[in-house]
Amino acid sequence: GAVVSQHPSWVICKSGTSVKIECRSLDFQATTMFWYRQFPKQSLMLMATSNEGSKATYEQGVEKDKFLINHASLTLSTLTVTSAHPEDSSFYICSVLPSGRGGNIQYFGAGTRLSVL
Amino acid sequence: AQTVTQSQPEMSVQEAETVTLSCTYDTSESDYYLFWYKQPPSRQMILVIRQEAYKQQNATENRFSVNFQKAAKSFSLKISDSQLGDAAMYFCAYSGGSNYKLTFGKGTLLTVNP
Repeated sequence: GAVVSQHPSWVICKSGTSVKIECRSLDFQATTMFWYRQFPKQSLMLMATSNEGSKATYEQGVEKDKFLINHASLTLSTLTVTSAHPEDSSFYICSVLPSGRGGNIQYFGAGTRLSVL
Repeated sequence: AQTVTQSQPEMSVQEAETVTLSCTYDTSESDYYLFWYKQPPSRQMILVIRQEAYKQQNATENRFSVNFQKAAKSFSLKISDSQLGDAAMYFCAYSGGSNYKLTFGKGTLLTVNP
């Protein structure tokens, strides 16, 4: 499988600050990456599809101005939570869809736990 | 819209025994993929097994196998010779052929008793 590095694994920030989370595909190029949010004891909820070189596609109900996504290269996507508030505290997970491999297999990062004070 | 239903919030199994986790889905597409992902306490999502809808043969990966019933839209996971390391949350997921998004079920928490 593909190796996906997600950083940081845990971040604590003050309310009103912005936090950037990185997702790197270490051994495959990826035109498409995904960002998910997971609340405790719940399933993964897709937030947006990150497309290399173009704008991200956000799911219904996800604020694009709150959750900024940049996919500037074939191996890196970033999620910036802007002006974070306590309700943004959650577990954020990225995944990579390796280009050209087929099969629709997504490989996941280890996740980032965000705590907003 | 596609939906994935896991009707068992929790399951338990004795070590070395066999357990089956249920999953049903709803779709109007003919070309799609089904997955089982495992999320242990570390919260790292790990692919367990994948099934391509156009293949009639059930996928197997060592101790893990699926029972794919396309007409019934059922996709169950069988874990044989359960090990303590199998304890995790298991998510069933669907992906359309041309749409790479994953739709997840709510998950089944599997406990393995020694």
